[in-house]
Amino acid sequence: DTGVSQNPRHKITKRGQNVTFRCDPISEHNRLYWYRQTLGQGPEFLTYFQNEAQLEKSRLLSDRFSAERPKGSFSTLEIQRTEQGDSAMYLCASSLERLAGTGELFFGEGSRLTVL
Amino acid sequence: TQLLEQSPQFLSIQEGENLTVYCNSSSVFSSLQWYRQEPGEGPVLLVTVVTGGEVKKLKRLTFQFGDARKDSSLHITAAQPGDTGLYLCAGTTYNQGGKLIFGQGTELSVKP
Repeated sequence: DTGVSQNPRHKITKRGQNVTFRCDPISEHNRLYWYRQTLGQGPEFLTYFQNEAQLEKSRLLSDRFSAERPKGSFSTLEIQRTEQGDSAMYLCASSLERLAGTGELFFGEGSRLTVL
Repeated sequence: TQLLEQSPQFLSIQEGENLTVYCNSSSVFSSLQWYRQEPGEGPVLLVTVVTGGEVKKLKRLTFQFGDARKDSSLHITAAQPGDTGLYLCAGTTYNQGGKLIFGQGTELSVKP
């Protein structure tokens, strides 16, 4: 399978714990995006990378959230001191830079976080 | 403030009926996309429209981009239970860089 891969698919944690999600994009895609989605809502933009550079971060991304893409391939999204309001599906998507203006993103299956 | 407003938010219809979902904004979009998402999965791209007034057809689905590039519609003819899912419009604006902004989605349920 050469699609976008995310893990873990599900994570249940207690409030105050740290969690990390990993995303492996489609290999030739140089753009990588993170979105957050709550039940019945559309995905909300969090951040995106072009190669290893983080080009934009949403105001939704508080200082408890950090994303990296150290070698321009896979990316990690870490949430420190989790809160119940962080419970959501975290979606990763990738695309080619030359297609960025067309909005053609390829999404992974998401990582569902439940904070107790 | 939602940049892209979708309506209706929920739609429950019988198999064989037609339906239209709307996506509206006060902003001009360089391109607009429709995605479909099933429970527990990521969104999957259905279509991209880039030209004002453009109409695209995908089997029983017809997508239209408004002349002013601020709105779009998705029409489904003779809906089937397999069409059930969350339909999302999304777009890129000229001043948003490469990021894609989503509407809140339309939850469609087609009953046999």
